[in-house]
Amino acid sequence: QVQLVQSGTEVKKPGSSVKVPCKASGGTVSKYAISWVRQAPGQGLEWMGGIISMFGIVKYAHKFQGRVTIAANESTSTAYMELSSLISEDTAVYYCAKAPFIRFDSYFDSWGQGTLVIVSS
Amino acid sequence: EIVMTQSPATLSVSPGERATLSCRASQSVKSNLAWYQQKPGQAPRLLIYGASTRATGIPARFSGSGSGTEFTLTISSLQSEDFAVYYCQQYNNWLGTFGPGTKVDIK
Repeated sequence: QVQLVQSGTEVKKPGSSVKVPCKASGGTVSKYAISWVRQAPGQGLEWMGGIISMFGIVKYAHKFQGRVTIAANESTSTAYMELSSLISEDTAVYYCAKAPFIRFDSYFDSWGQGTLVIVSS
Repeated sequence: EIVMTQSPATLSVSPGERATLSCRASQSVKSNLAWYQQKPGQAPRLLIYGASTRATGIPARFSGSGSGTEFTLTISSLQSEDFAVYYCQQYNNWLGTFGPGTKVDIK
């Protein structure tokens, strides 16, 4: 069973970028669609985008297009989400989540524990 | 974009009672609907997919129903560990969207 492992907390200044890793333990990122979902404090879940690295396909939600980059390193079984031009409203927990299939139109059967990104001057 | 709504926002239930949560889609998502449970400080956990199929290890007291635009999650007899926030998610297209959540708390 593939488990997704994320790091703890990142503190960033407004205008900077953050790159959040998500390592697939017990499997490879290339066999699944990996998505990124964020959750602002006290708020709901918001899909940001995802990657199917086996086919080199990346999709982004319109809201984040131009500011987010999602990539994967198959040799280390790690997916990455980089968000640029950070503002205070980007303060949130960022989750990676795995679909059980190689497709984006899917539910998520495994989630990382989340990375808290704090944007503050 | 398909918009998901959930009701009620908060549901107060006594342990052992039945809880019924609703989820509505702005257009048909067929049976491409999942439910997740989230406890404070934890990642969401998949409960139901395909509108009515329980995920691995999910107790039988959780059941899902519906298709098209109207869906229901029922918890037949609430246990203490079931008090949490529940989200629905449609995955009828690649832009999967979540509902705002229903918080189930202790009455």
